[in-house]
This record gives sequence, C-alpha cells and structure tokens, in this order.
Amino acid sequence: KAGVTQTPRYLIKTRGQQVTLSCSPISGHRSVSWYQQTPGQGLQFLFEYFSETQRNKGNFPGRFSGRQFSNSRSEMNVSTLELGDSALYLCASSTTGGSSYEQYFGPGTRLTVT
Amino acid sequence: GDSVTQMEGPVTLSEEAFLTINCTYTATGYPSLFWYVQYPGEGLQLLLKATKADDKGSNKGFEATYRKETTSFHLEKGSVQVSDSAVYFCAFGAGSYQLTFGKGTKLSVIP
Repeated sequence: KAGVTQTPRYLIKTRGQQVTLSCSPISGHRSVSWYQQTPGQGLQFLFEYFSETQRNKGNFPGRFSGRQFSNSRSEMNVSTLELGDSALYLCASSTTGGSSYEQYFGPGTRLTVT
Repeated sequence: GDSVTQMEGPVTLSEEAFLTINCTYTATGYPSLFWYVQYPGEGLQLLLKATKADDKGSNKGFEATYRKETTSFHLEKGSVQVSDSAVYFCAFGAGSYQLTFGKGTKLSVIP
C-alpha cells in the first residue's frame, strides 16, 4: 500500500505571498492531520479533517487554513507568508483519527520564506 | 495544559550500548501513548504504541511500558546500532483528534 504523499517536497516563497500544500493519505484512510515542525517550537498541531469536516484546529492564526476533498486528499493554505512560517509541514493520515489510532506521516514539505 | 516532557538531547552512545529515553506526560483523560522516530530528511515513522496502563509496546528491539501511576512512557533498547541514529519523539493522543509531541531527542550511535 502506498504511503502518505506530499507535494511539493520543497518550496521557496517570498514574504507576503501565499502557498498551497497538498497531501494524499493512505488509501482507505479518512482522517488527515497537519503539523508544523520547527527547530524552536517542535511539532505543533495545525488542524485535522475527517470526511471533509474540520474536527479540530490548533492555535495558529487565521492565515493558516485547510480543506479536505471527497477522496480524502487534503490541502493547506498559508496566506500573507511571514518569515516565521518557514518550517517543515507534515501531513499524517489515519483510519478514523481517534486518539488511540496511530497516525502515518508523509515526508513533509519544506517551506522556506525569504 | 497538556504536554510531553522528554529528556534533553543529544544523546551519544557506542554501538551495543543500552538506551533509555525518558518521557513523561501531562494529559486530561486517559491518553494513548506513542513513540515516533524521524530519520534525516524524512517524516515521522511510528515506532511503537500503548493504549492502556501496563501495556508494553515493542518494535525492532525497542520497548516502552505505559506507567499510569508515574505518567511515564520511557523508551528502551538493549543494544543500539548505528542505524538507530535518529530523532525520537514521544507523543500522546487524548481524544481531541490530535497528537501532542515532546521536543524530540536526537540519538547518535557511534561504531
């Protein structure tokens, strides 16, 4: 079974621009979560989607948004990029997303904001 | 609030040495506990998990036991290899559709 795929793998953007990242979950998985990883803050939860509905959102500004499509694929968008948005963005999928279910991570998208 | 505390790294060990990475958590409710590993340039891989008190998760020679009384989930391996060099993350899930992670512990194993 193919793993979680994320595109693009690397991205360089300028302050003020916006960016869209894509995630395709493992086949059959309906829950998709997004995390931001930085050296200073570690891994921080952004949001989780299940059947096209956002069920939980982390403590990030409204510039960070996401959505999920009917085929469970997900996108996240960051508008008006800031230097501090430079990070590795990780997508994870699981069967239903309950707390006892393991999440499977993709390789991440490395975003650099200049 | 909810949080995970891991021992600070980096940790450097010789091949075949014993490994312990301490992890304690603060969570409401009754969380499930996980250890993830991240190799350079890659995403996180699930290493092992435990979902109830006294459960022992194990995989690839790594073990961790869910200790509810001490709110701990320490990772151990009896004999590390160079290929175990990576960053290890302790995490829990507590019913809110998200995982809460520790800061990670970088392990370097030298031949």
